[in-house]
Amino acid sequence: DSGVTQTPKHLITATGQRVTLRCSPRSGDLSVYWYQQSLDQGLQFLIQYYNGEERAKGNILERFSAQQFPDLHSELNLSSLELGDSALYFCASSAWGDEAFFGQGTRLTVV
Amino acid sequence: DQQVKQNSPSLSVQEGRISILNCDYTNSMFDYFLWYKKYPAEGPTFLISISSIKDKNEDGRFTVFLNKSAKHLSLHIVPSQPGDSAVYFCAASAQKTSYDKVIFGPGTSLSVIP
Repeated sequence: DSGVTQTPKHLITATGQRVTLRCSPRSGDLSVYWYQQSLDQGLQFLIQYYNGEERAKGNILERFSAQQFPDLHSELNLSSLELGDSALYFCASSAWGDEAFFGQGTRLTVV
Repeated sequence: DQQVKQNSPSLSVQEGRISILNCDYTNSMFDYFLWYKKYPAEGPTFLISISSIKDKNEDGRFTVFLNKSAKHLSLHIVPSQPGDSAVYFCAASAQKTSYDKVIFGPGTSLSVIP
C-alpha cells in the first residue's frame, strides 16, 4: 500500500460528460502529481500541485483542470469528454526531493 | 518524439535466469534515472534509481547500469522470480527534485515463467 488513495477505481461515462477524479496523498506529502496513461503509452505528466498551489503543468488539455484543497487532497476534473480521454489516470504524491508514490489509478472509459 | 524509449514491449524469462530490461534516452541533459514496477490493478512503485555520476547501482537482486555515452540504461534482475512479473517503466529527468520533469518510457512487460 503506497498510502496514496484514488477514487473511484473505475469510471464509465458518455462522451460530452464531466467527471471528477479524487486523490488523497500520503500523510505529510505536500506535492500531488496527476498522470495519464493511455494504451501502450508511458505515464504522461498532466499537472502538479504543491501545498495548494499549481506548481507545474504538463500536456494537460484545456478541458481538464485540477485543484488541491487545504487538507491536501486533490481533484482532477475532466470535461467535455471524448473517446480518446479513455485512459488510466494516476495520482502520485511526494515530499520535496523524494521519489513519488503512486495511487492505484482510476480507469476511465468514455463510451 | 519519445525522449525515453523502451523498445521491447514484452520479455519472457525462465525463473532463476537473468532478466535484462533496456531503456534508451535522447536528451543529454537527463542526469537522473529511475525504474518503476507496476502490477496489474496497482499503481507504479519505485524500484531503483541512478544518478549520472554513477554507472551502476545495486539493490539486492536489482542492478541498474548506465552508459551515458550511449544514452542507454538497463535493469538486471538476478535471479528472476515469478513475482517479478510486472510492467517495468524506465524514467529520466534533468532535475531530481520534482516529478514534473520526469519523463516515463512506455514500459516493458516482463513475464517470469516458473
